[in-house]
Amino acid sequence: EDQVTQSPEALRLQEGESSSLNCSYTVSGLRGLFWYRQDPGKGPEFLFTLYSAGEEKEKERLKATLTKKESFLHITAPKPEDSATYLCAVQAHTGGFKTIFGAGTRLFVKA
Amino acid sequence: EAGVAQSPRYKIIEKRQSVAFWCNPISGHATLYWYQQILGQGPKLLIQFQNNGVVDDSQLPKDRFSAERLKGVDSTLKIQPAKLEDSAVYLCASNPGTGGNTIYFGEGSWLTVV
Repeated sequence: EDQVTQSPEALRLQEGESSSLNCSYTVSGLRGLFWYRQDPGKGPEFLFTLYSAGEEKEKERLKATLTKKESFLHITAPKPEDSATYLCAVQAHTGGFKTIFGAGTRLFVKA
Repeated sequence: EAGVAQSPRYKIIEKRQSVAFWCNPISGHATLYWYQQILGQGPKLLIQFQNNGVVDDSQLPKDRFSAERLKGVDSTLKIQPAKLEDSAVYLCASNPGTGGNTIYFGEGSWLTVV
């Protein structure tokens, strides 16, 4: 059964304090791994898609990496506006674009 | 390009009443999803359509939840009768279905059952 586990559940950082969020997954043939940002009261906002081990994507202070078993979302020198819940999801080759989400990591960045 | 549209944004009902949510996906997107997100948890897939056919509804509580996608475009999700534990955000999302596989979400419909 496809499964996504995110850690930590919550992370509190000082502004400028870099860190990483983890997403461990098991899936029968990975089609894609996705990272989303979700602000309170909003729907998830797409950040990145990673397709194969070794791939990396960057956007502003965020960098996503992928191995065969996990993905990391690195946050460099975070700012308070980066505070949000970060969701990881996987999509398998089978199941017609079925996409399974983890529980998310709630990030708090203090000024 | 217009995003995924959902309505209503907020709904408060009493237990055992019924409620319906509407979703209009991104134009041309063949795949449509309904997710349930309980506060503090990740989205849980309820049902997935490919055009107007159901691909996966294994986690849809079929005794009280129903969904349809007429003509392969708009979709409605209905809950009848509602229970207290149905209080959640109902997220609609869509995906092109061919080629690109990223899914895009609407803002969600917030349901409170009292």
